[in-house]
Amino acid sequence: GAVVSQHPSWVICKSGTSVKIECRSLDFQATTMFWYRQFPKQSLMLMATSNEGSKATYEQGVEKDKFLINHASLTLSTLTVTSAHPEDSSFYICSARSGWNEQFFGPGTRLTVL
Amino acid sequence: GEDVEQSLFLSVREGDSSVINCTYTDSSSTYLYWYKQEPGAGLQLLTYIFSNMDMKQDQRLTVLLNKKDKHLSLRIADTQTGDSAIYFCAESVEGGSYIPTFGRGTSLIVHP
Repeated sequence: GAVVSQHPSWVICKSGTSVKIECRSLDFQATTMFWYRQFPKQSLMLMATSNEGSKATYEQGVEKDKFLINHASLTLSTLTVTSAHPEDSSFYICSARSGWNEQFFGPGTRLTVL
Repeated sequence: GEDVEQSLFLSVREGDSSVINCTYTDSSSTYLYWYKQEPGAGLQLLTYIFSNMDMKQDQRLTVLLNKKDKHLSLRIADTQTGDSAIYFCAESVEGGSYIPTFGRGTSLIVHP
């Protein structure tokens, strides 16, 4: 299957700082990318859907000013957690797909905010 | 209740069959999926089934769908220690742009 990478795989930051997570589709052009958040022993919660070149669509309850999503190219989307707080600590997973094809998931980024 | 429900844990002995069950609420579900997540990793699509199918088999994996009861199961034959992971059931509908809605995941533990 296609490969989706995320960078960094884990990050620890101080409260109040901003953290950027990158998601790349390595061998296909991703017209749509998705960002999920996963709490321990919980399901994946869809945060937002982004189409290349347009603004992201956020799910209800997700603050767009806190979780900035940029999908500037067909192979890269970034999620920036602004002014991070300990409650933002979580496992963030991105996925990507081309058209209506299968979604391919990245390996996830573990964010810990101290 | 949640849209997709599954039990949280399953423990089996190596070599036995594992059956992971899932129920969903949306009768307009078009696709139903099983994903596998190994520790610290993203999700890997194992298999999926169209809503107009009853069964799908792929090597050691058998998916059964009871559309009337909105019940989906995944059977893993000859379970190995490498099958230990979290298994997520998910469903998607055409009107929802085929974006999967996930259950909480079932932790499968395979012991010798």
